[in-house]
Amino acid sequence: DAGVIQSPRHEVTEMGQEVTLRCKPISGHNSLFWYRQTMMRGLELLIYFNNNVPIDDSGMPEDRFSAKMPNASFSTLKIQPSEPRDSAVYFCASSLRRGTGGGNEQFFGPGTRLTVL
Amino acid sequence: DAKTTQPPSMDCAEGRAANLPCNHSTISGNEYVYWYRQIHSQGPQYIIHGLKNNETNEMASLIITEDRKSSTLILPHATLRDTAVYYCIVSAGGTSYGKLTFGQGTILTVHP
Repeated sequence: DAGVIQSPRHEVTEMGQEVTLRCKPISGHNSLFWYRQTMMRGLELLIYFNNNVPIDDSGMPEDRFSAKMPNASFSTLKIQPSEPRDSAVYFCASSLRRGTGGGNEQFFGPGTRLTVL
Repeated sequence: DAKTTQPPSMDCAEGRAANLPCNHSTISGNEYVYWYRQIHSQGPQYIIHGLKNNETNEMASLIITEDRKSSTLILPHATLRDTAVYYCIVSAGGTSYGKLTFGQGTILTVHP
């Protein structure tokens, strides 16, 4: 398996532009997570999906951020309009959720480094 | 989820065991202890997790105290490639499933 795939790996854009980050989870996994990492705030969970349904989006910073998961093999994180403070590394992770117990082994992608000028 | 406390940094000689401590004194009965690591510029990597019993896999061993208020991650024979930030995370299943709260972690430096 190729692991979690993210694209693009690097994105440089200007303030006000729309940015779309993409993620392909590991085949067979039923949970998907979006994280953001900055020096100031560390690694933060933004949103996660289970069986393509958003379960918890309390980490999404504001309405400029939106995430979708139209099917089990694809998810997007969109920022519109982008601002310089959105500059960060965005990670996508996936896992196989078995029931309601623990065992939360998440597999992370390589990340997208976003720079908003 | 319970909060964890880790030392900010540790050193280890190559080939020796690295023992990384973590305190989680407010852990609840249904909360698991997870360890992840992040090598520079890469995504975090799962290492191991446990609930009550000690666990071992091909990467590491996890020792959880009987009262579950602390744990130790053991890398039995550290290599230079084990230099990374190591995160100890406490998380429950159920409605909290998926919510991994990463702290600042421990920067482990393995030197020759």
